[in-house]
Amino acid sequence: DGGITQSPKYLFRKEGQNVTLSCEQNLNHDAMYWYRQDPGQGLRLIYYSQIVNDFQKGDIAEGYSVSREKKESFPLTVTSAQKNPTAFYLCASSGILAHSYEQYFGPGTRLTVT
Amino acid sequence: AQTVTQSQPEMSVQEAETVTLSCTYDTSESDYYLFWYKQPPSRQMILVIRQEAYKQQNATENRFSVNFQKAAKSFSLKISDSQLGDAAMYFCAYKSSGGGADGLTFGKGTHLIIQP
Repeated sequence: DGGITQSPKYLFRKEGQNVTLSCEQNLNHDAMYWYRQDPGQGLRLIYYSQIVNDFQKGDIAEGYSVSREKKESFPLTVTSAQKNPTAFYLCASSGILAHSYEQYFGPGTRLTVT
Repeated sequence: AQTVTQSQPEMSVQEAETVTLSCTYDTSESDYYLFWYKQPPSRQMILVIRQEAYKQQNATENRFSVNFQKAAKSFSLKISDSQLGDAAMYFCAYKSSGGGADGLTFGKGTHLIIQP
């Protein structure tokens, strides 16, 4: 089955620790995205990548970092510089041509930092 | 920058009735895409329907249809014959048509309750 996987579903970390969230897709999509969702809020864009070894900051990139070494994978690192890291994180992918622009989402990772 | 506004934090409808969710957006672009996503309690984001701004015809997908008013920058979602499985958060989203990868701009969502 084609799709997007995110692991783990729940993640707990102590304040001051970096943590990496995994995102893998087998849809052969060129573009991948990371969003953050807080209670009562819509999704906000953290980073996106159109091609391997290239990525762009979104609206709330501070305190986060990403890499795109493979087309299928787009891990997100939440660093200790992120002031409010507790949130629900969603990964998405899409094509980059006009007929394939819909974004498909993974199941998400709930990160709790205490 | 584009903004998306959903003015109804919560809506309630009787099962089998019709409900309309509102969405307005602000943009200076003439070509773009609009989407409605559904997020049930599982929190999986599911694409419901999409609309290309250059198309005058309103999109429909089975019981879901949109009323796209480009001049008014309005993009409402109508759900006909509401079912219990339609209960979810619904998000309106905007995407520039500049080509390539581009993130979505989301509204804050409308919580839809279906009364049996």
